[in-house]
Amino acid sequence: DGGITQSPKYLFRKEGQNVTLSCEQNLNHDAMYWYRQDPGQGLRLIYYSQIVNDFQKGDIAEGYSVSREKKESFPLTVTSAQKNPTAFYLCASSIGAWAGTDASPLHFGNGTRLTVT
Amino acid sequence: SQQGEEDPQALSIQEGENATMNCSYKTSINNLQWYRQNSGRGLVHLILIRSNEREKHSGRLRVTLDTSKKSSSLLITASRAADTASYFCATDGSSNTGKLIFGQGTTLQVKP
Repeated sequence: DGGITQSPKYLFRKEGQNVTLSCEQNLNHDAMYWYRQDPGQGLRLIYYSQIVNDFQKGDIAEGYSVSREKKESFPLTVTSAQKNPTAFYLCASSIGAWAGTDASPLHFGNGTRLTVT
Repeated sequence: SQQGEEDPQALSIQEGENATMNCSYKTSINNLQWYRQNSGRGLVHLILIRSNEREKHSGRLRVTLDTSKKSSSLLITASRAADTASYFCATDGSSNTGKLIFGQGTTLQVKP
């Protein structure tokens, strides 16, 4: 079955450590996205990539980094510079590069819950 | 920046009743999408309505869009306990960047 796989489901880290969240899709989608969700809140866009080897900052990119070396993979690194990293992180993809403009629905993974203490 | 805002924030109904959720947004849009999120899971796309459409149906879902009021509503008819979830609207905000901006969601509880 095609879909988006995020791993691990739960991740615990000590403050000051960098951590990388995995996101893999086998849907052959062009675009991939990372969102952050805090309790009782909506989703905030961290980074997105519309094509391999290219990505753009979203609304809350500070303290995060990404890479898009392969079409199917879009890992997110939460660095020690991120002041409040504890959150639920969601990866998504869309068939078209313009999810909003060309009406491509987002397909989501089941998230990684990161806890930093 | 917050583009979509859902109302109410929380809704509790009995099974069999209809549930209506509203979404307001600030800028012009190309389309508006509704998503559902079960607790601790990713979001699932429900329905998309384009800016030139006024109403759309999908099974027990009915979505309306009023671009003059910059608002949309999602109606779930004959609700079931399995409809218990959070519901989010998302818009492109006419930014033409490809980004979708999500509201804060409505949490729906359907009591059996």
